[in-house]
Amino acid sequence: QQQVKQSPQSLIVQKGGISIINCAYENTAFDYFPWYQQFPGKGPALLIAIRPDVSEKKEGRFTISFNKSAKQFSLHIMDSQPGDSATYFCAASIDPGAGSYQLTFGKGTKLSVIP
Amino acid sequence: EPEVTQTPSHQVTQMGQEVILRCVPISNHLYFYWYRQILGQKVEFLVSFYNNEISEKSEIFDDQFSVERPDGSNFTLKIRSTKLEDSAMYFCASGASGNTIYFGEGSWLTVV
Repeated sequence: QQQVKQSPQSLIVQKGGISIINCAYENTAFDYFPWYQQFPGKGPALLIAIRPDVSEKKEGRFTISFNKSAKQFSLHIMDSQPGDSATYFCAASIDPGAGSYQLTFGKGTKLSVIP
Repeated sequence: EPEVTQTPSHQVTQMGQEVILRCVPISNHLYFYWYRQILGQKVEFLVSFYNNEISEKSEIFDDQFSVERPDGSNFTLKIRSTKLEDSAMYFCASGASGNTIYFGEGSWLTVV
């Protein structure tokens, strides 16, 4: 019930291409869906997040698409660059209002953008 | 830019020994967290801390684990008697009254 399933495990994209990472969740109580980017030796850093009241959110080259009925959400990286090479984690949480967030993470996708 | 800082960056300890991992959260944050990441696996929630008490904890956070905010700036994770399976990267994180959680760079614990 608490799982977040992420695919693919690894992804190789040519520079300038579109990287697409998918996640699916089971718990319908989840209502906050962030994506984190992690470089080797560093902690996860928040990239972009979405709530289920919208179907898409775009920030620069990064877009989240959200399908509430299918319980799926995806990250699209447009014009992928070698500097985007990192591990990407999707996550989900129940918005506690004023409380603390318990994030459930996917297993991660290692993205390599080749020149 | 303010950041979460963690020490040590790497610690090797013998099985059965106690370990304390330290964190300095971002100064105006109210919510504090510990997560862990076993090598090659996903990041897992351990515990959240607010108003000087644990607000949530996962099944992983058993009696061997404890957290403390000994003063106004530090936030610690203690593992009382380490096991081999405790080897992981431990991330401290903090957040304000919102949903953006900032992670530190992690403390890599190796239990031998």
